[in-house]
Amino acid sequence: DQQVKQNSPSLSVQEGRISILNCDYTNSMFDYFLWYKKYPAEGPTFLISISSIKDKNEDGRFTVFLNKSAKHLSLHIVPSQPGDSAVYFCAAGLTGGGNKLTFGTGTQLKVEL
Amino acid sequence: ETGVTQSPTHLIKTRGQQVTLRCSSQSGHNTVSWYQQALGQGPQFIFQYYREEENGRGNFPPRFSGLQFPNYSSELNVNALELDDSALYLCASSSMGYYEQYFGPGTRLTVT
Repeated sequence: DQQVKQNSPSLSVQEGRISILNCDYTNSMFDYFLWYKKYPAEGPTFLISISSIKDKNEDGRFTVFLNKSAKHLSLHIVPSQPGDSAVYFCAAGLTGGGNKLTFGTGTQLKVEL
Repeated sequence: ETGVTQSPTHLIKTRGQQVTLRCSSQSGHNTVSWYQQALGQGPQFIFQYYREEENGRGNFPPRFSGLQFPNYSSELNVNALELDDSALYLCASSSMGYYEQYFGPGTRLTVT
């Protein structure tokens, strides 16, 4: 079963505007969440994480919001830049579950000039 | 600081053969996890090694096995290769107890 879902396979945004990538999860036991960015022919690069005890975490242009009641998180990128064009993966983990991460299927973000 | 490295970059094998993939973890990290990423999918957890022992396993058959060495580097071995094993194999290193995992560039395995 797909415990972490990214329902939008692709997203296109204009340079300078906000990109919002969404992720839903079904396992209420997950207690930390991460976003990774992946370019072709490279491994995923860690972007930002959030613990379930928080509802927001910010790092520069990247902000992650967590809504536990809705089992939903989102990544906001402001302002979007052409170099942000990549596949973005949402991942979830369990404290006490080792460092195993459960990933979504990814969203391809294209930032257009 | 050296990042996670993997070898080889690409590999082509025939069904039924065996393969070994290698990973060197980032300096300071003691935990290595392996993931399989099929085309169009997210990475799927295979297993994790900590202190040279398996510390968790995903839904993969026993023909997927691994090792971790005293220097924290790791190997992934796959026996009796099947066509469906064709995928990108990713290694990630981390420190036990910390959320973030840092990935290598991956090994692209093609089984024909």
